[in-house]
Amino acid sequence: KQEVTQIPAALSVPEGENLVLNCSFTDSAIYNLQWFRQDPGKGLTSLLLIQSSQREQTSGRLNASLDKSSGRSTLYIAASQPGDSATYLCAVRAGSYQLTFGKGTKLSVIP
Amino acid sequence: GAGVSQTPSNKVTEKGKYVELRCDPISGHTALYWYRQSLGQGPEFLIYFQGTGAADDSGLPNDRFFAVRPEGSVSTLKIQRTERGDSAMYLCASSLAGGTTGELFFGEGSRLTVL
Repeated sequence: KQEVTQIPAALSVPEGENLVLNCSFTDSAIYNLQWFRQDPGKGLTSLLLIQSSQREQTSGRLNASLDKSSGRSTLYIAASQPGDSATYLCAVRAGSYQLTFGKGTKLSVIP
Repeated sequence: GAGVSQTPSNKVTEKGKYVELRCDPISGHTALYWYRQSLGQGPEFLIYFQGTGAADDSGLPNDRFFAVRPEGSVSTLKIQRTERGDSAMYLCASSLAGGTTGELFFGEGSRLTVL
């Protein structure tokens, strides 16, 4: 059974810092990996989708990498802003149509 | 519409009552998913539709839960004889095509509270 772990569970950084969020998964035979953002009490916003054949994807200040063989992905956020404060969720698709999610990393960017 | 739309945004009901949650996917998206998220947890898969048919309902917790998508667009998640443990955020997502490579787009969710 696929398990997804996100470390750390919570992170607090001062505005302007670059930061990395980590995601690991147990079954490396994945089709793709997707990073989401979730604001309190809200739905999920898709940030980046990386197919299994890709190594990384970039969107603005966000860069996500994928190392399928080691079962790891990282989300890099450059020049963090208070508006980046949210919970970031990693999800993988392996062996079925389902996405398996981690519990998320709660990010606080302090002005 | 421009995004996935879910109604109601909040639903408070009493134990034992029947509840319906509605999802209107992005226009043209053939695949539709329901997930459930408890506080502090990641979303958990409930059911996947490809067109009108439920291609995978392995995540439905028991027979009190049922979902339909009669015309291949709007979907309704139905919960009978609600229990306090059903309280959660119910999330709907759609993707342009089925299969295993599409990007999922989620709605704002329906927060269900069972008293």
